[in-house]
Amino acid sequence: QVQLQESGPGLVEPSGTLSLTCDVSGGSISSYDWWSWFRQPPGKGLEWIGQMYLRGDSNYNPSLKSRVTISVDKPKNQFSLKVNSVTDADTAVYYCARNFGFSFDYWGQGVLVTVSS
Amino acid sequence: QSALTQPRSVSGSPGQSVTISCTGTSSDVGGYDRVSWFQQHPGKAPELILYDVTRRPSGVPDRFSGSKSGNTASLTISGLLPEDEADYYCCSHTGSNTYVFGSGTQVTVL
Repeated sequence: QVQLQESGPGLVEPSGTLSLTCDVSGGSISSYDWWSWFRQPPGKGLEWIGQMYLRGDSNYNPSLKSRVTISVDKPKNQFSLKVNSVTDADTAVYYCARNFGFSFDYWGQGVLVTVSS
Repeated sequence: QSALTQPRSVSGSPGQSVTISCTGTSSDVGGYDRVSWFQQHPGKAPELILYDVTRRPSGVPDRFSGSKSGNTASLTISGLLPEDEADYYCCSHTGSNTYVFGSGTQVTVL
């Protein structure tokens, strides 16, 4: 069974770059074409950040597109998220997940990232 | 893209049924049968309970069912159980190959 695990710094300074990695275990990341990132600010709802197609394409939430990059490292069986120029509004639990058709079936447990000086 | 509209909360007694609506536009919910529903317990990751409007992943009880009419999708939970108390989110694929979530609904089992 596929398992996903997010990792990265839990604290990022304002105007800095948030960088997270999602490790995929229990299967090859290359076995599925699309992988996604999400976030959930404390006490608020879910937001889709973007998705990556292993063969090169990616799509991002229009509200975040100018600041976000999703990339893959196939040999390491992981994919990553970078968010530039972060502010307090980027404080959230960040999740990675596997795309399943037009949905998402396997999710990581989530990692809290706080933007603060 | 604007968040899909869900009621903030719904409640029901054990054994009863509750229905959660999810209203979007013709560019998302109304345009495609690509609506999913997720259950999220406090402090936990979301879990997929319905996809493609009506389809259940393996292991999800048939107490959970979905439907769609026009720009509104619905999730019905029949025979409410205490463990159904959670937040529920709808999600729709859009014509721009992006995804938009609903605002979330808290289900309370009285």
